[in-house]
Amino acid sequence: GAGVSQSPSNKVTEKGKDVELRCDPISGHTALYWYRQSLGQGLEFLIYFQGNSAPDKSGLPSDRFSAERTGGSVSTLTIQRTQQEDSAVYLCASSSKAGGGETQYFGPGTRLLVL
Amino acid sequence: QKEVEQDPGPLSVPEGAIVSLNCTYSNSAFQYFMWYRQYSRKGPELLMYTYSSGNKEDGRFTAQVDKSSKYISLFIRDSQPSDSATYLCAMRGATSGTYKYIFGTGTRLKVLA
Repeated sequence: GAGVSQSPSNKVTEKGKDVELRCDPISGHTALYWYRQSLGQGLEFLIYFQGNSAPDKSGLPSDRFSAERTGGSVSTLTIQRTQQEDSAVYLCASSSKAGGGETQYFGPGTRLLVL
Repeated sequence: QKEVEQDPGPLSVPEGAIVSLNCTYSNSAFQYFMWYRQYSRKGPELLMYTYSSGNKEDGRFTAQVDKSSKYISLFIRDSQPSDSATYLCAMRGATSGTYKYIFGTGTRLKVLA
């Protein structure tokens, strides 16, 4: 079946512009995570959605970052007024339930380059 | 000090060798331990998952957790060139609502044919 998809696969933008990154999770998965992966760094947790509960936004690095999940499915991560330090791979993962050591299925990521 | 430490490598081994990959951690509350494999320009995929201490074996892969030493390992037997990838450890606590995974930086492995 279809896995997690993300778009665009690559994004080059100029400093100061806004970008939107999209994640389509596996159908029926209620939990959705966004991570950031920078060179030489591990996956950095950004935000977590679980069903209709309020999202955990505690990992968002600044108020320039925001995310939403519409209808419990597709999610969009928005970065406003991008900075060069925002350049990284942004990964989305979904799973069928919260906690319990369940498998997270990752998308291929969006490679963001801010010039 | 990072909560999870992992040697970034690269680690180069000949085909058929036994590979040992390791992570250390500082948070004694961690109970779930995972190993992910990430090929270049792909998302991570779960290889092994263990709860608390002990060993788990799956084919050529063995995961070990030593909570007393706060040390986890992944062993790959009869390594193949197709095992060349970055291996990430991840862990989290077990209390209700604990869903944040802490990842290591990843170890890049090269298996030479």
